[in-house]
Amino acid sequence: SAVISQKPSRDICQRGTSLTIQCQVDSQVTMMFWYRQQPGQSLTLIATANQGSEATYESGFVIDKFPISRPNLTFSTLTVSNMSPEDSSIYLCSVTGQGSGANVLTFGAGSRLTVL
Amino acid sequence: QKEVEQNSGPLSVPEGAIASLNCTYSDRGSQSFFWYRQYSGKSPELIMSIYSNGDKEDGRFTAQLNKASQYVSLLIRDSQPSDSATYLCAFDNFNKFYFGSGTKLNVKP
Repeated sequence: SAVISQKPSRDICQRGTSLTIQCQVDSQVTMMFWYRQQPGQSLTLIATANQGSEATYESGFVIDKFPISRPNLTFSTLTVSNMSPEDSSIYLCSVTGQGSGANVLTFGAGSRLTVL
Repeated sequence: QKEVEQNSGPLSVPEGAIASLNCTYSDRGSQSFFWYRQYSGKSPELIMSIYSNGDKEDGRFTAQLNKASQYVSLLIRDSQPSDSATYLCAFDNFNKFYFGSGTKLNVKP
């Protein structure tokens, strides 16, 4: 399965600032997704990162707050804008692959954000 | 978000026992179902996938799917302390994956 690198792995941010999380995959993948996992909670899908076009956002998530880029088949970024303490969470990049891994979702190690 | 219901637990079982984890989902169009395991502080990892009604076995793990009842379960035989983790049920809806809230499993030595 694909190997996913995320950075930063963790950060402490001030209220009102923005932070960009990077996701790099070691092979070309079909789909890339961004999830959020708030403390003690399950995974919530933020959006699907579409290569060369605007991301597809789930209900409750908007582009102004979570702009996403995907310039090619191996890289994506998620920006958390104008952060508040409620944005403190783990943000996870995930992908579905090619071939036998096409329908399997694999996760990066996550980026733990704390907003003060 | 699509609905996936799980008992949050914690579910406690003694070492060597069978752990039974259950999940119901709301989307009748779902075709693919998954069980993920998440250790504290780690990201989820896939344990099992199941696509058709019935049972699927992989080592100590058995996934069971009943599409008519919109129900999927995971059995862990001969539970080990290393199985202690949160187990997340997920389904695939048009290539998007939705997760339940997870069941925390504690296997006591």
